[in-house]
Amino acid sequence: NAGVTQTPKFRILKIGQSMTLQCTQDMNHNYMYWYRQDPGMGLKLIYYSVGAGITDKGEVPNGYNVSRSTTEDFPLRLELAAPSQTSVYFCASREGDQPQHFGDGTRLSIL
Amino acid sequence: SQKIEQNSEALNIQEGKTATLTCNYTNYSPAYLQWYRQDPGRGPVFLLLIRENEKEKRKERLKVTFDTTLKQSLFHITASQPADSATYLCALDTSGGYNKLIFGAGTRLAVHP
Repeated sequence: NAGVTQTPKFRILKIGQSMTLQCTQDMNHNYMYWYRQDPGMGLKLIYYSVGAGITDKGEVPNGYNVSRSTTEDFPLRLELAAPSQTSVYFCASREGDQPQHFGDGTRLSIL
Repeated sequence: SQKIEQNSEALNIQEGKTATLTCNYTNYSPAYLQWYRQDPGRGPVFLLLIRENEKEKRKERLKVTFDTTLKQSLFHITASQPADSATYLCALDTSGGYNKLIFGAGTRLAVHP
């Protein structure tokens, strides 16, 4: 099993561009999460999903959108990239009372 | 305001010694607390979970304590090895079934031979 896979690993965007960060998991987990991690800060929850077709906002959702059309995939969309969105983005999944499994992140720079 | 704090300074210890990392929180009532390890360029990896009604949890060389009165968790690595060098994150779950975690900023541990 691959676990949680995130693509791309690195990306540079210009201000105002849009992009989608991909996240897929092969563990059939219902719960999926998107976090951002800034230097010297804890991971902040952006959005989460408790199953296909159900999403909800986390602590820092502004400037982002998500969708969950399948159990496996949970893409994160940036519509109008801003320098404040430069960060490392992590996707995670879990099932039942098990802890979260994380991908290895997407490093995004917006210039 | 709600805060979760870990030592921001790196912890440097000698191989073979016990490393002790601290996680303090205010204005939360977590159902449980988790510890993760994060290596450079990688995602966090789960290590241990301790529930609010548990005082201590062990796994091999790892031990976690949880004091809900002091609002503090301690994470111990005994007989530390250079391979234990990493950043260690604590995370609180206050959301019940949704497992929405609040993360501390982490403490970097460096174990020297």
